Amino acid sequence: AQSVAQPEDQVNVAEGNPLTVKCTYSVSGNPYLFWYVQYPNRGLQFLLKYITGDNLVKGSYGFEAEFNKSQTSFHLKKPSALVSDSALYFCAVRRGSTLGRLYFGRGTQLTVWP
Amino acid sequence: DTEVTQTPKHLVMGMTNKKSLKCEQHMGHRAMYWYKQKAKKPPELMFVYSYEKLSINESVPSRFSPECPNSSLLNLHLHALQPEDSALYLCASSQEATGDQPQHFGDGTRLSIL
Repeated sequence: AQSVAQPEDQVNVAEGNPLTVKCTYSVSGNPYLFWYVQYPNRGLQFLLKYITGDNLVKGSYGFEAEFNKSQTSFHLKKPSALVSDSALYFCAVRRGSTLGRLYFGRGTQLTVWP
Repeated sequence: DTEVTQTPKHLVMGMTNKKSLKCEQHMGHRAMYWYKQKAKKPPELMFVYSYEKLSINESVPSRFSPECPNSSLLNLHLHALQPEDSALYLCASSQEATGDQPQHFGDGTRLSIL
């Protein structure tokens, strides 16, 4: 069975500080891992993905994510947070051969204080 | 701007009405998806179309009827909905239903059932 855990419902960080949004996963076989962001009244926007290769993946808007196979984690990071980064973040996983189905975490609300 | 266009943005309907949601993409993607999302929750997969054929139906009630007239269009026909069906309905597309390409989401239709 495939599953994703985002252990924090809410993450608060001051503008200019680094941020981390945590994600752990469980999947049989090699995982495809994704991060999405959702702003109010918008759909989900793709940020970055890990398929294979380098464990540090760079994505949109200065975000990056670190894949750790031994800890089955895929944490989202940004060196310096912006107020405009405040949004709902979803981690998602799918098994490479699985038709269509993405398994989402429950989401983490990120609030960046000015 | 999203590359997946959904109309209408908002829809209010009574429980006896019939309405349709529309989704359009011109990225040449061959997989299209319908999701239902409640506030602050992850999207829940409803249907997956691959090459214009229904590939996955996540045990969705028959009052929701999907249709894929061509590779760029996806409709969701609604009939005799219940108040608990009020939600944000998201359409997404990807190059293929398998593989490592991310899903691209529209901004959704916010549906309210009176």
